[in-house]
Amino acid sequence: DAGVTQSPTHLIKTRGQHVTLRCSPISGHKSVSWYQQVLGQGPQFIFQYYEKEERGRGNFPDRFSARQFPNYSSELNVNALLLGDSALYLCASSLSGRGGYGYTFGSGTRLTVV
Amino acid sequence: DQQVKQNSPSLSVQEGRISILNCDYTNSMFDYFLWYKKYPAEGPTFLISISSIKDKNEDGRFTVFLNKSAKHLSLHIVPSQPGDSAVYFCAASGSGTYKYIFGTGTRLKVLA
Repeated sequence: DAGVTQSPTHLIKTRGQHVTLRCSPISGHKSVSWYQQVLGQGPQFIFQYYEKEERGRGNFPDRFSARQFPNYSSELNVNALLLGDSALYLCASSLSGRGGYGYTFGSGTRLTVV
Repeated sequence: DQQVKQNSPSLSVQEGRISILNCDYTNSMFDYFLWYKKYPAEGPTFLISISSIKDKNEDGRFTVFLNKSAKHLSLHIVPSQPGDSAVYFCAASGSGTYKYIFGTGTRLKVLA
């Protein structure tokens, strides 16, 4: 059984550039959530999508956007990258995304902004 | 405003002994709590959960205790094994919400 897959695994970008991160959920899971984990901190919620609709958004600037495709895969886009965007970006999938059900996380994309 | 706090950044325990990881929260609307384990270069792995209608949940060597009046939960690992060495995150969610609030993690080291 394939778990949650994220690509790329590592990425180096320059300040001001744009980045797209990709996530494929576990087969049958309709909800995808994105989290940002800065070194030394716990994951912070960015977005949740369910059935291609945004269901929740964390306290992140409009430079962050996401979408979910008909096959339930998802992209996270970040524009005008800042040094502070350097982090591990985690994608998590679940059947419904409701509180109380554990997510399954991918291994993440390590983004470094220089 | 850290709604979920793990005040111990690290913990060392001898193999075979009990590991107790603690977590405090401030939002009384939280009603689901989860523990995740994270190894380096991997994503967090779901370990165990508890809802606010319970005060204890067990799964093998792992037991989570919830004290709602104190807004405190703890994860007990008995017996601890070297393979348990990882960073442990607690997370909380309110029903009807779609996000988990994570603590900052506790690094557990189990010494052989």
